[in-house]
Amino acid sequence: GAVVSQHPSRVICKSGTSVKIECRSLDFQATTMFWYRQFPKQSLMLMATSNEGSKATYEQGVEKDKFLINHASLTLSTLTVTSAHPEDSSFYICSAGLGGGTSYNEQFFGPGTRLTVL
Amino acid sequence: AQSVTQPDIHITVSEGASLELRCNYSYGATPYLFWYVQSPGQGLQLLLKYFSGDTLVQGIKGFEAEFKRSQSSFNLRKPSVHWSDAAEYFCAVGGLTAGNKLTFGGGTRVLVKP
Repeated sequence: GAVVSQHPSRVICKSGTSVKIECRSLDFQATTMFWYRQFPKQSLMLMATSNEGSKATYEQGVEKDKFLINHASLTLSTLTVTSAHPEDSSFYICSAGLGGGTSYNEQFFGPGTRLTVL
Repeated sequence: AQSVTQPDIHITVSEGASLELRCNYSYGATPYLFWYVQSPGQGLQLLLKYFSGDTLVQGIKGFEAEFKRSQSSFNLRKPSVHWSDAAEYFCAVGGLTAGNKLTFGGGTRVLVKP
């Protein structure tokens, strides 16, 4: 149980185009989803937290107009990288939270999406 | 603010030898602690987690970790390393007071010598 998928697993795009990455919780409903970014040989950095039906909360230093997050349902969150540039090339990983309320909302991670901007 | 320190960036170990990866955390309330492993180009795989109870936690692939509150540590151990254990290992801390956010350590890359 608690499986999270991401699509696509790998994407190459030209500079200036927009790319959408999907994150789905396959066998549970996730009120909260998280988006992380990982540069080569570095750790995961939280970009934003998205709650179903409300606006995402972005971490300090993350451009909300560049990284658009939509959490329209309890099983789907999307991250759109707008006007992508080579410096946006990275590994993007999502997670979905199972639990919540007064109990800990444990995160289950997707397999990641490798974005390369040419 | 919560934080995680993994003091060792790289560790090289011989196959069959024991392995210990260090993790120190800072968290103002009851911590929820995790160890993940990541192979190159892959996502994260959960090795084990500690929420409460017995401070020695058993995980997958023969790994275990011990929570020591007095030392703010959650070190990962494996008695006998296999070549397939070569990967990047991340320690993470979260909790109810942090909005369920996870903070990751910088990672430790494990190399296994034949």
